[in-house]
Amino acid sequence: GESVGLHLPTLSVQEGDNSIINCAYSNSASDYFIWYKQESGKGPQFIIDIRSNMDKRQGQRVTVLLNKTVKHLSLQIAATQPGDSAVYFCAENMAGNQFYFGTGTSLTVIP
Amino acid sequence: ETGVTQSPTHLIKTRGQQVTLRCSSQSGHNTVSWYQQALGQGPQFIFQYYREEENGRGNFPPRFSGLQFPNYSSELNVNALELDDSALYLCASSSGGAGAEKLFFGSGTQLSVL
Repeated sequence: GESVGLHLPTLSVQEGDNSIINCAYSNSASDYFIWYKQESGKGPQFIIDIRSNMDKRQGQRVTVLLNKTVKHLSLQIAATQPGDSAVYFCAENMAGNQFYFGTGTSLTVIP
Repeated sequence: ETGVTQSPTHLIKTRGQQVTLRCSSQSGHNTVSWYQQALGQGPQFIFQYYREEENGRGNFPPRFSGLQFPNYSSELNVNALELDDSALYLCASSSGGAGAEKLFFGSGTQLSVL
């Protein structure tokens, strides 16, 4: 996974499998987190967000988990599809509306 | 609802020149942020504008400046361009002023400095 900072730059999954993308953040004061998807030639697209008063949040086919104890964030994508192939960024907000992005994880879905 | 639009989409400049990039925020959004994304990297915060004033700045030199207009649109100006300024410049709009709210990005302006 990434660390706002990257540990695992690439991830390949079979179509239909679940994907998990990890992110370690550094600032314990960060209170708001967003996952973005960026396709080639496009700007980052909002996927899901979570505030620090929550541990889990679910969207359509996506779930974000937040573990504040170890400063870890993950994005789970259910039944991964070819259209999910992209670079995924986690972004943390420490104060105001200033976000810090990691270097991203490249997800490739194998048909 | 109109999303965030940026112009131009691509731009080529030479070192030492000046450039102006433009952004129209999503309807209903009053805050604009600018990010620089180098190839293979995540976006880096440049600055944010709220109520036509700079409201937070990242680690960028003063030759990076901006404006926000009464209709919430914004400009990013970069003077004395350097080769390292080559990047994708992203504009993001949000509601809620200076508070932490989700950002909605445009497709960016790809700037090449030769």
